[in-house]
Amino acid sequence: QVQLVQSGAEVRKPGASVKVSCKASEYSFTMYAIHWVRQAPGQRPEWMGWINPANGNTKLSDVFQDRVSLTRDTSTAYMTLSRLRSDDTALYYCARDSLGHGGFAGQYFDYWGQGTLVTVSS
Amino acid sequence: EIVMTQSPVTLSVSPGDRATLSCRASQSIGTDLAWYQHKPGQAPRLLIYDISRRATDIPARFSGSGSGTDFTLTINSLQSEDLAVYYCQHYHRWPLWTFGQGTKVEI
Repeated sequence: QVQLVQSGAEVRKPGASVKVSCKASEYSFTMYAIHWVRQAPGQRPEWMGWINPANGNTKLSDVFQDRVSLTRDTSTAYMTLSRLRSDDTALYYCARDSLGHGGFAGQYFDYWGQGTLVTVSS
Repeated sequence: EIVMTQSPVTLSVSPGDRATLSCRASQSIGTDLAWYQHKPGQAPRLLIYDISRRATDIPARFSGSGSGTDFTLTINSLQSEDLAVYYCQHYHRWPLWTFGQGTKVEI
């Protein structure tokens, strides 16, 4: 069945960067957009951006426009968050957009990764 | 931005009960509403999309309803495995994909 498997927990110091991976399997990777969502402790989930795996085009939330980079290779999506701050401590999730058309996004999320805890602490 | 507001924050229930969770959008979102179940340490799970369509392998005790700005997730004959946090999400217009703050269903 469809799986999104994320990389393990990370600890970083303020000002550093972190790269989280999301490996997709059991479906055509280029057909479905991949979103990134984070959830800080006690907060609601927050959408960060999405990537079209077919061509690498991305769309980012205004909140993360200058600090997030989304990339991909043949079956894995990556999220890099730079200039980390303590309030970036959160669980980071990848999720597949259900649209399934040319890698574009616009619908709900039908599969999610298990989450990656990123802790930012000096 | 469309703001999603859920109530109650916490819902205390017993096995066999019916649980009713509410979600309100700050403006009309048509049918572009999904519900997710999230248990600690697990990936969130899609339950309902397009207000009332159950996702693959979701039991019939989960149902969604509503229109415009007010939506409801109902869990009939609640089972212990249903204890989780439930989130609503819209995908209606930019900025898409905002979530409610969640409702925790607990015993």
